[in-house]
Amino acid sequence: AQSVTQPDIHITVSEGASLELRCNYSYGATPYLFWYVQSPGQGLQLLLKYFSGDTLVQGIKGFEAEFKRSQSSFNLRKPSVHWSDAAEYFCAVGAPTDTDKLIFGTGTRLQVFP
Amino acid sequence: SQTIHQWPATLVQPVGSPLSLECTVEGTSNPNLYWYRQAAGRGLQLLFYSVGIGQISSEVPQNLSASRPQDRQFILSSKKLLLSDSGFYLCAWRYLGRGNTEAFFGQGTRLTVV
Repeated sequence: AQSVTQPDIHITVSEGASLELRCNYSYGATPYLFWYVQSPGQGLQLLLKYFSGDTLVQGIKGFEAEFKRSQSSFNLRKPSVHWSDAAEYFCAVGAPTDTDKLIFGTGTRLQVFP
Repeated sequence: SQTIHQWPATLVQPVGSPLSLECTVEGTSNPNLYWYRQAAGRGLQLLFYSVGIGQISSEVPQNLSASRPQDRQFILSSKKLLLSDSGFYLCAWRYLGRGNTEAFFGQGTRLTVV
């Protein structure tokens, strides 16, 4: 069964600084990978997804993520963080052999200082 | 276009009372449907998912149950709420059998059991 780990519970960065949020997955083959963002008290919005092809994926709001099979990782990055990026970020994994489940990590809360 | 409705937005219920949360999807047919719970420090926990009417898969043993009486309706229930049932409940849908597609989320229900 697939699983996903987000090692960082809380990250604080200054506005304009670069950002990297970590995501590690466990699955025997190439999984489907997703990053979502959640504003307080709201549902989740998809930032980007990966299922095949180019391992560097571009998403909305200036985010990108890179799939690294050797490290079982799918880290989310942004070169320059804006105050409006403060939110909770979730990594999720789906399995090609079990297309019905979608498993989420515990999330990383991002705080942005001016 | 597809939309997902989830209600109520907030709910305060006494311990031992019943629960019924409803989720409906419009604009698509035969979706995969999901119930997730978000509790502090535990991320998004998959509770139930359904691939069709009357077909429910439970991920976590608990005090809750789910039903899918119609193709685009998903209900989360409990006969007697516990304090530990408090949390933010999110309904989501995906295209059936297409694991490389993202889940689309409702706005969530904040449940407080007192």
